[in-house]
Amino acid sequence: GAGVSQSPRYKVAKRGQDVALRCDPISGHVSLFWYQQALGQGPEFLTYFQNEAQLDKSGLPSDRFFAERPEGSVSTLKIQRTQQEDSAVYLCASSPGTHGEKLFFGSGTQLSVL
Amino acid sequence: AQRVTQPEKLLSVFKGAPVELKCNYSYSGSPELFWYVQYSRQRLQLLLRHISRESIKGFTADLNKGETSFHLKKPFAQEEDSAMYYCALSGLVGSGGSNYKLTFGKGTLLTVNP
Repeated sequence: GAGVSQSPRYKVAKRGQDVALRCDPISGHVSLFWYQQALGQGPEFLTYFQNEAQLDKSGLPSDRFFAERPEGSVSTLKIQRTQQEDSAVYLCASSPGTHGEKLFFGSGTQLSVL
Repeated sequence: AQRVTQPEKLLSVFKGAPVELKCNYSYSGSPELFWYVQYSRQRLQLLLRHISRESIKGFTADLNKGETSFHLKKPFAQEEDSAMYYCALSGLVGSGGSNYKLTFGKGTLLTVNP
């Protein structure tokens, strides 16, 4: 594909429901990042993968958040037992190298928890 | 700790006027600074980074370590410059010296009026 693809574009969940957000990075990109962007805020780092290895998950807000990239390509961010404070845009980005010299962002998944 | 401050939430100028979007940072080591831009209904994309020292779409930014600033400037604003602008900081993380984690400011919405 031409860029980073995220699905679904919009997700409405009832409080307590589990959700899974998908990211297809640019083919061949080594690094993959997840960011959370609340309304009126800048993106905030959640987690970082280098190929299939999750090297940093320090930004995940709680143990309800889980991310994986089992084959070093597609990644899934899972949120269990969603809460209203989880409502945000979740951005995925990929980068060709192992440093964040230039991130290519997806369009994001807007999650609304009712 | 890394912190990025963009003091102006909104900035409005007339076409042809100079524009400066302010960015201040806090970081104890050697920072890498970036400007990302999000045009209406488009994804977040890299505008410029201080290491490359290049001018993109007429925008420039100089890293001032004494003032810990990285303001974005353009001498003559165009209507197509209207967008949300985010300043971002990357610093050395971990003993390996990798600098993948970006810290974003809250963004400045620039409106260029005709």
